[in-house]
Amino acid sequence: DAGVIQSPRHEVTEMGQEVTLRCKPISGHDYLFWYRQTMMRGLELLIYFNNNVPIDDSGMPEDRFSAKMPNASFSTLKIQPSEPRDSAVYFCASTLGLSGNTIYFGEGSWLTVV
Amino acid sequence: ELKVEQNPLFLSMQEGKNYTIYCNYSTTSDRLYWYRQDPGKSLESLFVLLSNGAVKQEGRLMASLDTKARLSTLHITAAVHDLSATYFCAVETGGFKTIFGAGTRLFVKA
Repeated sequence: DAGVIQSPRHEVTEMGQEVTLRCKPISGHDYLFWYRQTMMRGLELLIYFNNNVPIDDSGMPEDRFSAKMPNASFSTLKIQPSEPRDSAVYFCASTLGLSGNTIYFGEGSWLTVV
Repeated sequence: ELKVEQNPLFLSMQEGKNYTIYCNYSTTSDRLYWYRQDPGKSLESLFVLLSNGAVKQEGRLMASLDTKARLSTLHITAAVHDLSATYFCAVETGGFKTIFGAGTRLFVKA
């Protein structure tokens, strides 16, 4: 299995630009998570989906952030407009919602907003 | 709101020594995870603990869960340099919403 696949791996963008991060979960998994990691705030859960439906988006910091999951094999996290304080590593993760299963993380998207 | 607290946040230890990392959480949960993260890398799953009294071991690491005390421990036996990393516990609150602790940065000195 290829694991959770994220793109881009690294992105540098200017303040005010739109940023779109992409994620392909592990095939067959029915939960997908977006986390953000920074030195100051650690790992924060932004939003998670079950069967493509957003379950909890209470971690999304502002209206500038939005996430979609149009089908079981693809999700996007969009920031518009981006700001320097959005610089972080954004991880996508997925799991099969059964007892005992772990959550698998992608390699992360390293975002720098200048 | 679920709070997950780890301590210590930073741990420097000598090779061959034993130590324990603690993870406390504030609300009822029946599932707890331990992860390892190397610098610049993703998170690697170590253990999933499901029930009170659960104990799992892999090599020099052993994790346990006490749901009544809302406490999990990650015990390191005879540490080696390769164990140097950041270790996170994560707690599921229900509906698979999973919250992470701040992490424990472990440095094992040769």
